Amino acid sequence: LQLLESGPGLVKPSETLSLTCTVSGGSISINSYYWGWIRQPPGKGLEWIASIYYSGSTYYNPSLKSRVTISVDTSKDQFSLKLSSVTAADTALYYCARHPYSRSAMDVWGQGTTVTVSS
Amino acid sequence: DIQMTQSPSTLSASVGDRVTITCRASQSISNWLAWYQQKPGKAPKLLIYKASSLESGVPSRFSGSGSGTQFTLTISSLQPDDFATYYCQQYNAYSPTWTFGQGTKVEIK
Repeated sequence: LQLLESGPGLVKPSETLSLTCTVSGGSISINSYYWGWIRQPPGKGLEWIASIYYSGSTYYNPSLKSRVTISVDTSKDQFSLKLSSVTAADTALYYCARHPYSRSAMDVWGQGTTVTVSS
Repeated sequence: DIQMTQSPSTLSASVGDRVTITCRASQSISNWLAWYQQKPGKAPKLLIYKASSLESGVPSRFSGSGSGTQFTLTISSLQPDDFATYYCQQYNAYSPTWTFGQGTKVEIK
C-alpha cells in the first residue's frame, strides 16, 4: 500500500489549501480503516488535523475544526483535505496516513508535501 | 481535550545505552498509545501501538509499556540507526481524536 499527497505548494494568505491523497496498492473502502491528515511545521512537531473513517464519518482536531473539511472519493481511492482562511502559521509539511481502527495508530504514511502560505 | 506531555525533549546517549522516553496523558487513555520514530526529511515510522504491541519489522530492542496516563518507550541497547526524534500519540476513543506528544530528540553523546 502506498499513499501519495498532491496539491499546490504555495497558497496565498486567506485562501483555501486543498490537498489530495491517492491510495495505491489497496482500496480506500476497506473495512475498519481511518484515513487521516497530519502536518508538521518547519522544525516543529506533528499535529493531527483530521481523519475520515471508511464509512464516511469524519473527525477533526478541535483547534482546526472550523476551517477544515476532509472528504473521500472511493471511486478514485482518494481522500482530500481543505483548510480555509490560511495564514503563515499553516505553512507545514502535510502528510496523509492510514490508521487501522484496531490500532488507532498511523501505520502507513505518505512521503509528505510541503505547503507554504505566502503572498 | 487530552494533552500529552512527553519527556525529556532532548536526550543525549551513547551506542549501547538503555534509553527511556516517557509520555503522560492528561486523562486516562487506557492503552491507546503509539510511538513513532522520525528521521530528518522522512515520514514518521510506527514502532509501537496499543502501548506495548511491536509493529511488524521493528527490532525487538524497542519496547513499550504503560496504561492509563503513564507510558514508556524503551530502547534496550541504542544503535547508530536509532538516533532520531520519537513521538508518542494518543487516541481518545470517547471523542475520536488523535494527539501527538511534543517529541524527544535522541542525540549522540
